Amino acid sequence: AQRVTQPEKLLSVFKGAPVELKCNYSYSGSPELFWYVQYSRQRLQLLLRHISRESIKGFTADLNKGETSFHLKKPFAQEEDSAMYYCALRIDSWGKLQFGAGTQVVVTP
Amino acid sequence: DVKVTQSSRYLVKRTGEKVFLECVQDMDHENMFWYRQDPGLGLRLIYFSYDVKMKEKGDIPEGYSVSREKKERFSLILESASTNQTSMYLCASSGQDEQFFGPGTRLTVL
Repeated sequence: AQRVTQPEKLLSVFKGAPVELKCNYSYSGSPELFWYVQYSRQRLQLLLRHISRESIKGFTADLNKGETSFHLKKPFAQEEDSAMYYCALRIDSWGKLQFGAGTQVVVTP
Repeated sequence: DVKVTQSSRYLVKRTGEKVFLECVQDMDHENMFWYRQDPGLGLRLIYFSYDVKMKEKGDIPEGYSVSREKKERFSLILESASTNQTSMYLCASSGQDEQFFGPGTRLTVL
């Protein structure tokens, strides 16, 4: 069965420090992975998708099929990065997503 | 601007009441979803609809039903609300790729 694991419930980092959010998945097919973010009092929104291989707000994520991982990284965390982050795996052609449990990131000055 | 709206931000109901949560999207999307969001559990799919009058159970459909009579509207129904259905409910819609989410409805069942 498909599964998405985010091992950290809470990640507390200092402003300017690097931050890495871990995501591991299990899926028998060719995976499509996403990171969604929810800032305080805002709706959940797409941050980035592995297919586009782009950097959004300084974040990058590389799909590692060998390690079945899609970790999210940013070299210098900012206070505005404080949010809940969800890793998600597309599980069928209709676009259904399997979400991880989420990681709360707190960036302190 | 993409828009998914939900009928209520906050809702308080009593055990046994029938509850309707409404979701409307203006993007002409085929697919719509209902999730519940709980701390430590992430988002779990309740129901999914890929067309008008078409629906499919998600991971946790027990105690819920849905209705999709028009393309833009997807309703979640709690036939007889129970305290363990106290949660944040998120609606989403999608075309081929990205899911767009509504602001959520925080439901409390007393």
